[in-house]
Amino acid sequence: AQTVTQSQPEMSVQEAETVTLSCTYDTSESNYYLFWYKQPPSRQMILVIRQEAYKQQNATENRFSVNFQKAAKSFSLKISDSQLGDTAMYFCAFPEGGSEKLVFGKGTKLTVNP
Amino acid sequence: DAGVIQSPRHEVTEMGQEVTLRCKPISGHDYLFWYRQTMMRGLELLIYFNNNVPIDDSGMPEDRFSAKMPNASFSTLKIQPSEPRDSAVYFCASSLVSGVYEQYFGPGTRLTVT
Repeated sequence: AQTVTQSQPEMSVQEAETVTLSCTYDTSESNYYLFWYKQPPSRQMILVIRQEAYKQQNATENRFSVNFQKAAKSFSLKISDSQLGDTAMYFCAFPEGGSEKLVFGKGTKLTVNP
Repeated sequence: DAGVIQSPRHEVTEMGQEVTLRCKPISGHDYLFWYRQTMMRGLELLIYFNNNVPIDDSGMPEDRFSAKMPNASFSTLKIQPSEPRDSAVYFCASSLVSGVYEQYFGPGTRLTVT
């Protein structure tokens, strides 16, 4: 079975600092997408960033960037200049077996402190 | 676009009652997903549809759960009879068929069964 592991149940960071959330996964597929979703206290699931596995360049969306290591099956999320509004649960996800089904990690609860 | 719409946002019911959750996907999206989120089990995929046809219902916990998609703009998830262990947040999500795999989530329905 394909799995996604987020090894950090909780993290905290000071406002304006940088934080990195870890994610590892297991798949036998050669091409796939990887996603980070954010779930703030409002519980709305919001797509933060996505990465195509065949692209060597790491994806970037404003203050959010990924460090994608395909051989190591690692997909970490870096948040720069952390803001109070970044406080949320963050989930790593990827499609199971090349299908439309997303496999989600257990999540990392991030708290940004003033 | 208004995004994925779910109703109701909150539902409180007594054990044994029938519960119906509703979802309107984003117009033009060919895939619709139903998820359940609990503290213990995280985010679980219950069932998903492609062009209104159920593709994979292996995540549906038991026969008390059923889902339908009578047309491209509407889906329901029904629990009959409901039990306290069904208490959770239920999300509906939709995506394009293009293989992008990006899923857009609704705001969720918080179900409490007493």
